[in-house]
Amino acid sequence: GAVVSQHPSRVICKSGTSVKIECRSLDFQATTMFWYRQFPKQSLMLMATSNEGSKATYEQGVEKDKFLINHASLTLSTLTVTSAHPEDSSFYICSASSLGVGTEAFFGQGTRLTVV
Amino acid sequence: DQQVKQNSPSLSVQEGRISILNCDYTNSMFDYFLWYKKYPAEGPTFLISISSIKDKNEDGRFTVFLNKSAKHLSLHIVPSQPGDSAVYFCAARSSGNTPLVFGKGTRLSVIA
Repeated sequence: GAVVSQHPSRVICKSGTSVKIECRSLDFQATTMFWYRQFPKQSLMLMATSNEGSKATYEQGVEKDKFLINHASLTLSTLTVTSAHPEDSSFYICSASSLGVGTEAFFGQGTRLTVV
Repeated sequence: DQQVKQNSPSLSVQEGRISILNCDYTNSMFDYFLWYKKYPAEGPTFLISISSIKDKNEDGRFTVFLNKSAKHLSLHIVPSQPGDSAVYFCAARSSGNTPLVFGKGTRLSVIA
């Protein structure tokens, strides 16, 4: 299947700082990337949908000024957690899809964010 | 309101036997259904999918069944192997490049 690379896999940051997470599609052009968040023992909750070259669409309850998403190219999307707080600690996962590779979405490895 | 439901949080099965994981959905606009396998601290890995025009799709040890009238799908793994132990997520989407909606997952433990 298609490969999606997410970086970093693990990050610890101080409260009040910003953290950037990258999501790259390595062997296909991802017209759409999705960002999910998973709390312990919970499902993956969609945060936002980003289409290349346009503004991200955020799900209800997700602060767009706090979780900045940029999808500047067909192979890269970034999620920046601004002014992080301990309650932002979570597992963040990106997925990428393109109409050209079928209807399944491919996921990155995930990023474990811990805010101290 | 959960659109995709996996009512069994966990399931234990003996090695060699069949594992059956169930999933129900409420949104009649869903037309594509997927199963993902997930290990801790990793992203989900795609396993198998089925479109709404079919009622069965088989891939090796994995078979997915879809009952549209009941809005129910199931994943059968046979024979189950210890390496199948993981959390399995059912997901669904509607037409177009839309995001997947996930169930809460079922933790499968295959006991040797």
